[in-house]
Amino acid sequence: SQTIHQWPATLVQPVGSPLSLECTVEGTSNPNLYWYRQAAGRGLQLLFYSVGIGQISSEVPQNLSASRPQDRQFILSSKKLLLSDSGFYLCAWSVGRGANQPQHFGDGTRLSIL
Amino acid sequence: DAKTTQPPSMDCAEGRAANLPCNHSTISGNEYVYWYRQIHSQGPQYIIHGLKNNETNEMASLIITEDRKSSTLILPHATLRDTAVYYCIVIPNRSGGSNYKLTFGKGTLLTVNP
Repeated sequence: SQTIHQWPATLVQPVGSPLSLECTVEGTSNPNLYWYRQAAGRGLQLLFYSVGIGQISSEVPQNLSASRPQDRQFILSSKKLLLSDSGFYLCAWSVGRGANQPQHFGDGTRLSIL
Repeated sequence: DAKTTQPPSMDCAEGRAANLPCNHSTISGNEYVYWYRQIHSQGPQYIIHGLKNNETNEMASLIITEDRKSSTLILPHATLRDTAVYYCIVIPNRSGGSNYKLTFGKGTLLTVNP
């Protein structure tokens, strides 16, 4: 069966510090991978998605970036965090194309910027 | 994309069936109805989805009306662990099978009582 791992579960970082969140998927090949952010009291916002190694699409301009160095690894990064980067970061995966394939989420990383 | 309307909250007794309604009166023919839930401080969990026919899996049943303007998620025997926010969303199956992004509304807070 497929599993998705995100770490760390919680993170407290000072403003201006760098960020690296990692997500890995097991039990499937060539998944579509997604990074979402869920801010407190707000809905789900898609940040990046990837359909293959090295292929990244950005949904929202920001100071975050994403990379996919391996088939089942997706990394979210920032060189300098802002206060507005606080939130709940979720990685998700799906297979195939089209809306008939559900996305499955990890347990998320709760990021607090001080 | 079609919008959905859900009651903000519902209560259910443990062991009874929980029936969560969703209105999507502007749904178009190529749009899927998806249900997710989110337990506090966890990532969203996929439950079930459907296009026209009723669907059932190990978690729940999805009943879609014939005109597809509304649907009901049924948890046959609710437990305390089913207490969560339940999101009903409509996702278009765009031509070319492009990836889709999930956007959650406010959902329904289901509280299962002992």
